[in-house]
Amino acid sequence: EIVLTQSPATLSLSPGERATLSCRASQSVSTYLAWYQHKPGQAPSLLIYDVSNRATGVPARFSGSGSGTDFTLTISSLEPEDSAVYYCQQRSEWWTFGQGTKVEIK
Amino acid sequence: QVQLQESGPGLVKPSETLSLTCTVSGDSINSHYWNWIRQPPGKGLEWIGYMYYSGNTNYNPSLKSRVTISIDRSKNQFSLKLSSVTAADTAVYYCARKGLWFDYWGQGTLVTVSS
Repeated sequence: EIVLTQSPATLSLSPGERATLSCRASQSVSTYLAWYQHKPGQAPSLLIYDVSNRATGVPARFSGSGSGTDFTLTISSLEPEDSAVYYCQQRSEWWTFGQGTKVEIK
Repeated sequence: QVQLQESGPGLVKPSETLSLTCTVSGDSINSHYWNWIRQPPGKGLEWIGYMYYSGNTNYNPSLKSRVTISIDRSKNQFSLKLSSVTAADTAVYYCARKGLWFDYWGQGTLVTVSS
Protein backbone atom coordinates (compact mmCIF):
# COMPACT_ATOMS: atom_id res chain seq x y z
CA GLU A 1 0.00 0.00 0.00
CA ILE A 2 1.28 3.45 -0.88
CA VAL A 3 1.39 5.59 2.24
CA LEU A 4 1.03 9.34 1.93
CA THR A 5 2.55 11.43 4.73
CA GLN A 6 1.42 15.03 5.04
CA SER A 7 3.16 17.80 6.92
CA PRO A 8 2.72 19.82 8.95
CA ALA A 9 -0.31 18.46 10.81
CA THR A 10 -1.51 22.00 11.50
CA LEU A 11 -0.61 25.31 9.92
CA SER A 12 -1.67 28.55 11.60
CA LEU A 13 -1.22 31.67 9.45
CA SER A 14 -2.67 35.13 9.00
CA PRO A 15 -4.76 36.29 6.04
CA GLY A 16 -2.55 37.26 3.11
CA GLU A 17 0.26 34.91 4.10
CA ARG A 18 1.53 32.06 1.95
CA ALA A 19 0.73 28.49 2.97
CA THR A 20 2.90 25.57 1.89
CA LEU A 21 1.59 22.04 2.49
CA SER A 22 3.66 18.94 1.86
CA CYS A 23 2.70 15.41 0.82
CA ARG A 24 5.30 12.64 0.59
CA ALA A 25 4.59 9.22 -0.92
CA SER A 26 6.21 5.98 0.25
CA GLN A 27 6.93 5.15 -3.41
CA SER A 28 6.59 6.98 -6.69
CA VAL A 29 3.06 7.87 -7.74
CA SER A 30 4.24 9.60 -10.91
CA THR A 31 1.79 12.47 -11.43
CA TYR A 32 -1.25 10.60 -10.11
CA LEU A 33 -1.81 12.91 -7.17
CA ALA A 34 -4.71 15.14 -6.14
CA TRP A 35 -5.57 17.52 -3.31
CA TYR A 36 -8.94 17.92 -1.58
CA GLN A 37 -10.31 20.63 0.68
CA HIS A 38 -12.62 19.65 3.53
CA LYS A 39 -14.49 22.22 5.57
CA PRO A 40 -16.42 21.17 8.72
CA GLY A 41 -19.95 20.02 7.98
CA GLN A 42 -19.39 20.07 4.22
CA ALA A 43 -18.56 17.48 1.63
CA PRO A 44 -14.88 17.27 0.70
CA SER A 45 -14.15 18.93 -2.62
CA LEU A 46 -11.58 18.23 -5.31
CA LEU A 47 -9.10 21.10 -5.42
CA ILE A 48 -6.16 20.00 -7.59
CA TYR A 49 -5.74 16.91 -9.78
CA ASP A 50 -2.84 15.43 -11.73
CA VAL A 51 -0.47 17.36 -9.39
CA SER A 52 -1.09 20.83 -10.75
CA ASN A 53 -4.47 21.15 -12.47
CA ARG A 54 -7.07 23.20 -10.66
CA ALA A 55 -10.56 21.74 -10.55
CA THR A 56 -13.43 23.78 -11.94
CA GLY A 57 -14.05 26.96 -9.96
CA VAL A 58 -10.91 26.73 -7.81
CA PRO A 59 -9.26 30.14 -7.32
CA ALA A 60 -5.87 30.79 -8.88
CA ARG A 61 -4.27 31.28 -5.44
CA PHE A 62 -4.24 27.49 -5.12
CA SER A 63 -1.41 25.71 -6.96
CA GLY A 64 0.18 22.29 -6.87
CA SER A 65 3.61 21.03 -7.83
CA GLY A 66 5.88 18.00 -7.57
CA SER A 67 6.36 14.57 -9.05
CA GLY A 68 7.39 11.10 -8.01
CA THR A 69 7.28 11.10 -4.22
CA ASP A 70 7.26 14.76 -3.15
CA PHE A 71 4.36 17.11 -3.70
CA THR A 72 3.35 20.57 -2.54
CA LEU A 73 0.09 22.48 -2.33
CA THR A 74 0.60 26.23 -2.14
CA ILE A 75 -1.98 28.83 -1.22
CA SER A 76 -0.35 32.05 -2.34
CA SER A 77 -2.34 34.51 -0.24
CA LEU A 78 -4.62 33.06 2.42
CA GLU A 79 -8.25 34.11 2.63
CA PRO A 80 -10.42 33.48 5.71
CA GLU A 81 -12.51 30.97 3.74
CA ASP A 82 -9.42 28.79 3.18
CA SER A 83 -9.67 27.50 6.72
CA ALA A 84 -10.07 23.74 6.21
CA VAL A 85 -8.34 20.38 6.28
CA TYR A 86 -6.44 19.54 3.11
CA TYR A 87 -5.84 15.95 2.00
CA CYS A 88 -3.60 14.58 -0.70
CA GLN A 89 -4.62 11.39 -2.52
CA GLN A 90 -2.92 9.07 -5.03
CA ARG A 91 -4.37 6.78 -7.67
CA SER A 92 -1.15 5.15 -8.87
CA GLU A 93 -1.84 1.96 -6.93
CA TRP A 94 -5.32 1.60 -5.54
CA TRP A 95 -6.52 4.81 -3.87
CA THR A 96 -5.03 6.12 -0.64
CA PHE A 97 -5.14 9.42 1.21
CA GLY A 98 -2.82 11.36 3.46
CA GLN A 99 -3.74 12.12 7.07
CA GLY A 100 -4.49 15.74 6.31
CA THR A 101 -3.12 19.19 7.14
CA LYS A 102 -5.37 21.55 9.06
CA VAL A 103 -5.02 25.17 7.94
CA GLU A 104 -6.10 27.68 10.56
CA ILE A 105 -6.48 31.38 9.82
CA LYS A 106 -5.42 33.61 12.72
CA GLN B 1 -25.41 20.26 -10.01
CA VAL B 2 -24.35 16.82 -8.86
CA GLN B 3 -25.26 16.01 -5.26
CA LEU B 4 -24.81 12.88 -3.19
CA GLN B 5 -26.54 12.17 0.11
CA GLU B 6 -25.81 9.30 2.50
CA SER B 7 -28.55 7.74 4.62
CA GLY B 8 -28.83 4.87 7.05
CA PRO B 9 -28.69 3.91 10.73
CA GLY B 10 -26.27 5.85 12.89
CA LEU B 11 -25.85 3.01 15.36
CA VAL B 12 -25.06 -0.63 14.59
CA LYS B 13 -24.41 -3.45 17.06
CA PRO B 14 -21.17 -5.42 16.98
CA SER B 15 -21.23 -8.48 14.66
CA GLU B 16 -24.19 -7.07 12.72
CA THR B 17 -24.23 -5.64 9.18
CA LEU B 18 -23.83 -1.94 8.49
CA SER B 19 -26.07 -0.77 5.63
CA LEU B 20 -25.93 2.66 3.99
CA THR B 21 -27.48 4.14 0.88
CA CYS B 22 -26.27 7.02 -1.27
CA THR B 23 -28.84 8.93 -3.32
CA VAL B 24 -27.46 10.67 -6.40
CA SER B 25 -29.11 13.73 -7.92
CA GLY B 26 -28.05 15.85 -10.87
CA ASP B 27 -26.38 12.90 -12.61
CA SER B 28 -27.33 9.45 -13.84
CA ILE B 29 -25.87 6.52 -12.00
CA ASN B 30 -25.42 4.91 -15.42
CA SER B 31 -21.93 6.34 -15.73
CA HIS B 32 -18.84 6.82 -13.58
CA TYR B 33 -17.59 4.84 -10.59
CA TRP B 34 -19.59 5.02 -7.38
CA ASN B 35 -17.52 4.78 -4.23
CA TRP B 36 -17.62 4.48 -0.49
CA ILE B 37 -14.90 6.08 1.65
CA ARG B 38 -14.71 6.26 5.44
CA GLN B 39 -12.87 8.19 8.13
CA PRO B 40 -12.57 6.74 11.64
CA PRO B 41 -12.43 9.33 14.43
CA GLY B 42 -9.01 10.99 14.53
CA LYS B 43 -7.76 9.01 11.54
CA GLY B 44 -7.34 9.49 7.81
CA LEU B 45 -9.60 8.68 4.90
CA GLU B 46 -9.85 5.05 3.76
CA TRP B 47 -11.22 3.98 0.38
CA ILE B 48 -13.67 1.09 0.84
CA GLY B 49 -14.63 0.22 -2.72
CA TYR B 50 -16.63 1.07 -5.80
CA MET B 51 -19.18 -0.24 -8.20
CA TYR B 52 -18.83 0.76 -11.83
CA TYR B 53 -22.08 1.61 -13.60
CA SER B 54 -21.71 -1.59 -15.63
CA GLY B 55 -21.87 -3.63 -12.44
CA ASN B 56 -18.17 -4.37 -11.95
CA THR B 57 -16.92 -3.95 -8.40
CA ASN B 58 -13.54 -3.34 -6.78
CA TYR B 59 -12.95 -3.48 -3.05
CA ASN B 60 -10.15 -2.53 -0.67
CA PRO B 61 -8.31 -5.82 -0.05
CA SER B 62 -8.34 -5.16 3.70
CA LEU B 63 -12.16 -5.09 3.70
CA LYS B 64 -13.00 -7.25 0.69
CA SER B 65 -14.31 -10.24 2.63
CA ARG B 66 -16.93 -8.11 4.41
CA VAL B 67 -17.99 -5.53 1.78
CA THR B 68 -20.74 -5.51 -0.80
CA ILE B 69 -21.59 -2.49 -2.96
CA SER B 70 -24.67 -2.55 -5.15
CA ILE B 71 -26.62 -0.20 -7.43
CA ASP B 72 -30.36 0.45 -7.70
CA ARG B 73 -30.76 2.09 -11.12
CA SER B 74 -34.48 2.66 -10.69
CA LYS B 75 -33.81 4.90 -7.68
CA ASN B 76 -30.47 6.35 -8.84
CA GLN B 77 -28.91 5.03 -5.64
CA PHE B 78 -26.05 2.83 -4.61
CA SER B 79 -25.53 1.03 -1.34
CA LEU B 80 -22.90 -0.31 1.02
CA LYS B 81 -23.12 -3.37 3.20
CA LEU B 82 -20.33 -4.12 5.67
CA SER B 83 -20.77 -7.33 7.62
CA SER B 84 -19.49 -8.50 11.01
CA VAL B 85 -18.75 -4.99 12.21
CA THR B 86 -16.64 -4.15 15.25
CA ALA B 87 -15.83 -0.93 17.07
CA ALA B 88 -13.02 -0.41 14.55
CA ASP B 89 -15.67 0.18 11.89
CA THR B 90 -16.95 3.27 13.70
CA ALA B 91 -16.41 6.10 11.23
CA VAL B 92 -17.89 8.83 9.12
CA TYR B 93 -18.90 7.14 5.86
CA TYR B 94 -18.83 9.12 2.62
CA CYS B 95 -20.16 8.26 -0.79
CA ALA B 96 -18.35 9.75 -3.75
CA ARG B 97 -18.38 9.79 -7.54
CA LYS B 98 -15.16 9.02 -9.35
CA GLY B 99 -14.07 9.40 -12.93
CA LEU B 100 -10.31 9.55 -12.58
CA TRP B 101 -10.61 11.44 -9.28
CA PHE B 102 -13.25 11.73 -6.55
CA ASP B 103 -14.99 14.78 -7.96
CA TYR B 104 -18.24 14.78 -5.98
CA TRP B 105 -18.79 13.68 -2.39
CA GLY B 106 -21.63 13.46 0.07
CA GLN B 107 -21.39 15.26 3.38
CA GLY B 108 -20.87 12.00 5.23
CA THR B 109 -22.78 10.12 7.89
CA LEU B 110 -21.43 8.97 11.25
CA VAL B 111 -21.92 5.29 12.01
CA THR B 112 -21.12 4.12 15.52
CA VAL B 113 -20.67 0.44 16.31
CA SER B 114 -21.74 -0.19 19.88
CA SER B 115 -23.99 -2.47 21.86
